[in-house]
Amino acid sequence: DVKVTQSSRYLVKRTGEKVFLECVQDMDHENMFWYRQDPGLGLRLIYFSYDVKMKEKGDIPEGYSVSREKKERFSLILESASTNQTSMYLCASSLADESEQYFGPGTRLTVT
Amino acid sequence: EDQVTQSPEALRLQEGESSSLNCSYTVSGLRGLFWYRQDPGKGPEFLFTLYSAGEEKEKERLKATLTKKESFLHITAPKPEDSATYLCAVLRWSDYKLSFGAGTTVTVRA
Repeated sequence: DVKVTQSSRYLVKRTGEKVFLECVQDMDHENMFWYRQDPGLGLRLIYFSYDVKMKEKGDIPEGYSVSREKKERFSLILESASTNQTSMYLCASSLADESEQYFGPGTRLTVT
Repeated sequence: EDQVTQSPEALRLQEGESSSLNCSYTVSGLRGLFWYRQDPGKGPEFLFTLYSAGEEKEKERLKATLTKKESFLHITAPKPEDSATYLCAVLRWSDYKLSFGAGTTVTVRA
């Protein structure tokens, strides 16, 4: 079974802090994704990566950056956390472009 | 602009009461349509992929169908453990990105 793990289930940070969210997948998938999920807005794509050291902006990249130094690991970085970044963050991976995405359990981030 | 609309937003069913969820989409060049199940506080769990109109997929009490403009997720004789939010998402030929609908929250009462 595909396993996608995220570094924290719950995280509380202060405004202005730098925040790192890490995601690891164990199935040698090419593609990895970061989403945020908010009530009424559904899942929105922040960034994705289709290869090591490659990244593409999603629909809402502002205020975020990403890093993929190894195939199995994809990190989301909030350079200076703000209260409007309080959300559920979900990481996903897929084998190929047209394949289903497998999601991690999510990190609920609260910025105070 | 591509859109994915799910209806209804919420559905309350009695155990055994079959029903359908709708996912209508407008997208330029559909590569695939995906259905996911999401339990509270967890990540979405993959259910089905449909690639072409007329295609059907089944898994236990769930059956997904696809036309050129919409997809249906039929729940036959649901049980309380089928309670969840069901998400659909479309993948375009033009890029790698999934566009998700807002979901339908299904509650099945015993």
